[in-house]
Amino acid sequence: EVQLVQSGSEVKKPGESLKISCKGSGYPFTTNWIAWVRQMPGKGLEWVGTIYPADSDTRYSPSFQGQVTISADKSISTAYLQWSSLKASDTAIYYCVRGIIPCLDYWGQGTLVTVSS
Amino acid sequence: QLVLTQSPSASASLGASVKLTCTLTSGHSSYAIAWHQQQPEKGPRFLMRLNSDGSHNKGDGIPDRFSGSSSGAERFLTISSLQSEDEADYYCQTWDTGIPLFGGGTKLTVL
Repeated sequence: EVQLVQSGSEVKKPGESLKISCKGSGYPFTTNWIAWVRQMPGKGLEWVGTIYPADSDTRYSPSFQGQVTISADKSISTAYLQWSSLKASDTAIYYCVRGIIPCLDYWGQGTLVTVSS
Repeated sequence: QLVLTQSPSASASLGASVKLTCTLTSGHSSYAIAWHQQQPEKGPRFLMRLNSDGSHNKGDGIPDRFSGSSSGAERFLTISSLQSEDEADYYCQTWDTGIPLFGGGTKLTVL
């Protein structure tokens, strides 16, 4: 069974750093893209970026370029999304999802990130 | 530039059928898409891959009530025998020049 299991909710202050994770199982982790998707409260789905774990080829949405870093450790089948300096506007649910072009097919359960002073 | 366009809202009665539309920009009518469902307070769920010829492959455990079809640049999701749990946001999605794209979503209300 394909599963993507994400790390738990986080509450942070503005300016703090954060790294959230997404562990894949049930399929060869290196053979599919992993995408990160943001959903702000009451809003739609926004693509943040994608990584191909086999070679760490990474793409970013222009809206998120320079704001976040996506990485992966294929030895433990885990992808990461990190911030060096959080802002209140980063408050959202972040989903990882497997990409099998042209579809995104298996979604993680989501990680709620709350940034508040 | 590829854009996926969806109506913001739709409604239909319990037990009826509804057809949701996702329109691809001109010149992209050969693209396959995916449909995703997001029930209130839940994460998204993959429903199906829908090809330009109307053939589709559904995700794990997706009921037969959900089907897809295509016409030109339009991609349709039809839900028959509507149930209360079908009240949700529905997003179309595809992949272009190495990046995934989403439509704005349609909020379906079951009356």
